[in-house]
Amino acid sequence: GAVVSQHPSWVICKSGTSVKIECRSLDFQATTMFWYRQFPKQSLMLMATSNEGSKATYEQGVEKDKFLINHASLTLSTLTVTSAHPEDSSFYICSARNDRGSGYTFGSGTRLTVV
Amino acid sequence: LAKTTQPISMDSYEGQEVNITCSHNNIATNDYITWYQQFPSQGPRFIIQGYKTKVTNEVASLFIPADRKSSTLSLPRVSLSDTAVYYCLVGDARGRDDKIIFGKGTRLHILP
Repeated sequence: GAVVSQHPSWVICKSGTSVKIECRSLDFQATTMFWYRQFPKQSLMLMATSNEGSKATYEQGVEKDKFLINHASLTLSTLTVTSAHPEDSSFYICSARNDRGSGYTFGSGTRLTVV
Repeated sequence: LAKTTQPISMDSYEGQEVNITCSHNNIATNDYITWYQQFPSQGPRFIIQGYKTKVTNEVASLFIPADRKSSTLSLPRVSLSDTAVYYCLVGDARGRDDKIIFGKGTRLHILP
């Protein structure tokens, strides 16, 4: 139980294009989701907190106009990387608060490569 | 949220018991301690969670002293597949924290 599905698992895009990553809670409602970015050999870095029906809260240093977050339903949050550049290449992971006692469930991650 | 401190890396051999300690001196009364495991190119996976004393499940044990300022994740008889990064997080188990912040984690390398 408490499964979070994240798609796509990997994506390659050209510089200047936009990429959308989806995060779905399959068997529970997630009023709050979190988006992380992880560079090689480093820990997860929180980018933003996504609340259903309201604007996301971005961490300091994260450009909200570049990383668009939409949480339109209780089971879906999306992260759109706009006008992607090679430095945006990273591993993006979503997480959702679950109702199963362990607190949080993580998606499987999306490897973004911008060429 | 309580800040955590873990060893950056550890090596061990197959079949050994591995203990990873996490320090969390500023843990709050309502905070639980949760450990996650992360393999390369995957999201973190829940391992175990506890509040005090000892918790055991099918994959690990978690030891928490009375002052709760530290905790130890114990992995019995590790195998090569236990090579991963292990993160200790401290916060509200019911997910009522505003956000969860990861520390650097412990990179565990199991040798044959």
